[in-house]
Amino acid sequence: KNEVEQSPQNLTAQEGEFITINCSYSVGISALHWLQQHPGGGIVSLFMLSSGKKKHGRLIATINIQEKHSSLHITASHPRDSAVYICAVRGGNKLVFGAGTILRVKS
Amino acid sequence: DGGITQSPKYLFRKEGQNVTLSCEQNLNHDAMYWYRQDPGQGLRLIYYSQIVNDFQKGDIAEGYSVSREKKESFPLTVTSAQKNPTAFYLCATRWGGASPELFFGEGSRLTVL
Repeated sequence: KNEVEQSPQNLTAQEGEFITINCSYSVGISALHWLQQHPGGGIVSLFMLSSGKKKHGRLIATINIQEKHSSLHITASHPRDSAVYICAVRGGNKLVFGAGTILRVKS
Repeated sequence: DGGITQSPKYLFRKEGQNVTLSCEQNLNHDAMYWYRQDPGQGLRLIYYSQIVNDFQKGDIAEGYSVSREKKESFPLTVTSAQKNPTAFYLCATRWGGASPELFFGEGSRLTVL
């Protein structure tokens, strides 16, 4: 079993829909990252959180430490949100990445 | 503008040839990392360097080599010993200290024919 599991692997949504991407992990962590990889391949950091909830624009990230689970929500999705969303967990000096969720938002 | 520059973006090589991927940063970050990305898998750490003239193997270092002669530069050489070198390679940096945030380059796609 991978240390970081993301679901779903692929997601297609209509513009305007509310989207949820899930991340479960099996190790103790100090922080969890949500990253966005755009079609060109570059990666940007969306959120880094160790507890609770963070919001930035239409993006919301939550984490439940006891359940070892995090979710990334996108409200009012738009085609420009189409990308790969990657969850990564930090334990000590090590960063372990999930395989990513491929999101496609259709207009 | 501050950032991370990876080059080349696309690279084709024949089997048995060594290739070097460049990673340059002007963010004044101490730590630099090389990751490999394969379809359906999470990023895997190849090598990392926390200070100049020092670097450590990551989880999949076999068949790769690096150098860190300058703070700004962390080139990765994919040697002929790497059995399956075709992949997408990402360079990342971190400021250092207690800051865990990583900054990524745009990546280099290597195809071995």
